[in-house]
Amino acid sequence: EIVLTQSPGTLSLSPGESATLSCRASQGIDRIFLAWYQQKPGQAPRLLIYGTSSRATGIPDRFSGSGSGTDFTLTISRLEPEDFAVYYCHQYGSSPETFGQGTKVEIK
Amino acid sequence: EVQLVESGGGLVQPGGSLRLSCAASGFNFSTYAMSWVRQAPGKGLEWVSAISGRGESTYYADSVRGRLTISRDNSKNTVSLQMNSLTVEDTAVYYCAKDSDGGSFYVYWGRGTLVTVSS
Repeated sequence: EIVLTQSPGTLSLSPGESATLSCRASQGIDRIFLAWYQQKPGQAPRLLIYGTSSRATGIPDRFSGSGSGTDFTLTISRLEPEDFAVYYCHQYGSSPETFGQGTKVEIK
Repeated sequence: EVQLVESGGGLVQPGGSLRLSCAASGFNFSTYAMSWVRQAPGKGLEWVSAISGRGESTYYADSVRGRLTISRDNSKNTVSLQMNSLTVEDTAVYYCAKDSDGGSFYVYWGRGTLVTVSS
């Protein structure tokens, strides 16, 4: 099983700042099999990025993904108030699929 | 419009059984794999199980293999999760999710159904 480790656990930032979230895999992942989700309390996750860097429909361009091998990054430039949430990475190239434990982006 | 609506959650005692269902609409159901993902209270996401479009292939997380069984009825556009020998560790919101055209990432999710295993 591929273990995804996200860091940091919590990111305290102010609106307008940029956020850099890390997802490290226990073994290499093909770039096409890495996604990122946003989740707010009481809601289902929302797909942001798939294939490491492709934005899902309707996702603002302040969200971007990058990485390869075992290290992947979600960057949120210019945080908006609605961006404060929990973010999960997800690998779907190897069974079982796995999620990272999440990074909470909170208002400083 | 794609819609996924879960049902069947509730309170069950340890060792008990429950059957979850997910009613799908708005897409050609039989051509997509479907998955269940769960989230324990205050915890992260955990993939549980998946089933191929025609139902010939099923996949399970090690934590549930042998206790949970996924199935689908393409004539009724439903996917189900039969849950047996439940433990307190199975307490979670269970989400139904649709595979995407480009792979097993999830654009569409249901709102979830809460399963509570407690005596």
